[in-house]
Amino acid sequence: NAGVTQTPKFQVLKTGQSMTLQCAQDMNHNSMYWYRQDPGMGLRLIYYSASEGTTDKGEVPNGYNVSRLNKREFSLRLESAAPSQTSVYFCASIDTSGVRFGPGTRLTVT
Amino acid sequence: ELKVEQNPLFLSMQEGKNYTIYCNYSTTSDRLYWYRQDPGKSLESLFVLLSNGAVKQEGRLMASLDTKARLSTLHITAAVHDLSATYFCAVETNNDMRFGAGTRLTVKP
Repeated sequence: NAGVTQTPKFQVLKTGQSMTLQCAQDMNHNSMYWYRQDPGMGLRLIYYSASEGTTDKGEVPNGYNVSRLNKREFSLRLESAAPSQTSVYFCASIDTSGVRFGPGTRLTVT
Repeated sequence: ELKVEQNPLFLSMQEGKNYTIYCNYSTTSDRLYWYRQDPGKSLESLFVLLSNGAVKQEGRLMASLDTKARLSTLHITAAVHDLSATYFCAVETNNDMRFGAGTRLTVKP
């Protein structure tokens, strides 16, 4: 039981490049989330998925897209990275049994 | 839109003292969460509060929920250095979970 896994752990992109952050959970949770955390700040919700096949925008969705590929996986895509997207990205999954966060992906856009 | 406010944002306290962190939110909620985050680490779930009057305790931490006042508190009893961390509350409504800005707690010997 690995909980929530995220790949990669670290990434450096140039402005305009694209990439996909991967998240997977093995707890059979329905709801999954993507957050970003900027230095010294709280977490801001980018997108969430209440169940397989559904996604909804959060507070800061601009510049991102998501895919809920199946119940286990929820990916976050940056189509054209910008320096303002430099942040730590956390994936989380929730069910009535509890909440688990992934270890985070530290992304730097130069 | 759901807003979550925490205070204080910074808290410096001495070992052995008691203190309370407050979390206010703007709309009705399904669940309220408290998390701990150590520097450079992910978030660790501390408590999930579901209903009005709910109280949960783990060690020196106790969380409570007043849904009528839209207020949750995290009370720290006889603080120790190991409790130094950032504490976040988060409110979930219709699967949308929003966070407060966090309280950075430093416990000094």
